[in-house]
Amino acid sequence: GAGVSQSPSNKVTEKGKDVELRCDPISGHTALYWYRQRLGQGLEFLIYFQGNSAPDKSGLPSDRFSAERTGESVSTLTIQRTQQEDSAVYLCASSPLLGTDTQYFGPGTRLTVL
Amino acid sequence: GENVEQHPSTLSVQEGDSAVIKCTYSDSASNYFPWYKQELGKRPQLIIDIRSNVGEKKDQRIAVTLNKTAKHFSLHITETQPEDSAVYFCAASMGSSASKIIFGSGTRLSIRP
Repeated sequence: GAGVSQSPSNKVTEKGKDVELRCDPISGHTALYWYRQRLGQGLEFLIYFQGNSAPDKSGLPSDRFSAERTGESVSTLTIQRTQQEDSAVYLCASSPLLGTDTQYFGPGTRLTVL
Repeated sequence: GENVEQHPSTLSVQEGDSAVIKCTYSDSASNYFPWYKQELGKRPQLIIDIRSNVGEKKDQRIAVTLNKTAKHFSLHITETQPEDSAVYFCAASMGSSASKIIFGSGTRLSIRP
């Protein structure tokens, strides 16, 4: 079946603009995760969803970041007033169950803030 | 805090030799420990995982060991091959209901021919 998809694959924006990143998880997967990966670095946890609920938003880097999920399916990560330090690959992953289950990653969105 | 430390950051081994990557975690309640492999320009993919009710798990040339008392776990790759070259990430479940997966900083493994 189809894997996790993300759009856009690449996004170049100017400092101060808002961007919206989209994730389509594998159908039926309850859990959805967002990570940030700066060039040559590890995976920084941002937020997770169980169904449409995000119980813990403490991983979001600042109040410019927000995320939502609807229909226990699509999720969007929104970054307002982008800064150059927001430049990174944003990875989404989904899994059948929350926590102790395999995560299937999407291809990522490469965000470049000029 | 919620933290996973991973060592070494880079590792170079001769083809055919073994490679070992070590991780420590901060939350004694962690009960799930996956390892992911990320090839250049590609997405991370699960290669093996272990749960807290076992101390060791093997899958062909890959094995993972877990020491819950010391809060550390390790990845062992035997008979390394060129296609093993990649970045490897350890991770641990954390937070309420072990709902977050926190990743280590990664190990870049290079296999010398």
